[in-house]
Amino acid sequence: NAGVTQTPKFQVLKTGQSMTLQCAQDMNHEYMSWYRQDPGMGLRLIHYSVGAGITDQGEVPNGYNVSRSTTEDFPLRLLSAAPSQTSVYFCASRTSTGAEAFFGQGTRLTVV
Amino acid sequence: GNSVTQMEGPVTLSEEAFLTINCTYTATGYPSLFWYVQYPGEGLQLLLKATKADDKGSNKGFEATYRKETTSFHLEKGSVQVSDSAVYFCAPQAYSGAGSYQLTFGKGTKLSVIP
Repeated sequence: NAGVTQTPKFQVLKTGQSMTLQCAQDMNHEYMSWYRQDPGMGLRLIHYSVGAGITDQGEVPNGYNVSRSTTEDFPLRLLSAAPSQTSVYFCASRTSTGAEAFFGQGTRLTVV
Repeated sequence: GNSVTQMEGPVTLSEEAFLTINCTYTATGYPSLFWYVQYPGEGLQLLLKATKADDKGSNKGFEATYRKETTSFHLEKGSVQVSDSAVYFCAPQAYSGAGSYQLTFGKGTKLSVIP
């Protein structure tokens, strides 16, 4: 079982560039979400989806877009990268009924 | 909204010492409670969970009891090992409407165990 797969693992961007962080899960989970992890801040929810075609904002959505065209994939788009978006990004998935969340290995993003 | 107050670290212990990491929460309704662990360079993984009052979650020698009256879910281990060095996150999961459950994470407690 692959679980939750995130790509890339590392990325360096210049300010103003755009990019997409990929997330795929093979567990047929309805619920997927993106978090960012910053020192001393824990994990903060960026966007989430309760199923294909349905997305919603989390705690810190500004500067990010998401879409959910299939159950398996939930990409996160940075529209115009800023140094404040330097962080480690985690994708997670779970069933919709409040069970355990499964996390990807993370993407470490640096914006210079 | 939901919130979590978790013991701040870092915590440094000698091998075989007793560990307690305090966690209190505020959440709507009747949340499920989780502890997640993050080993260096990895994503988070579930350590243990409890879904109703007085339930005790346990795994790998760690335990935590769901205390509804004090809204707490403190993590304990009787004898830590070097391999327990990691960051630990307390996370209530509460119903947020429209069939959705939201996880709220504490800031994390970094544990270092020295031989």
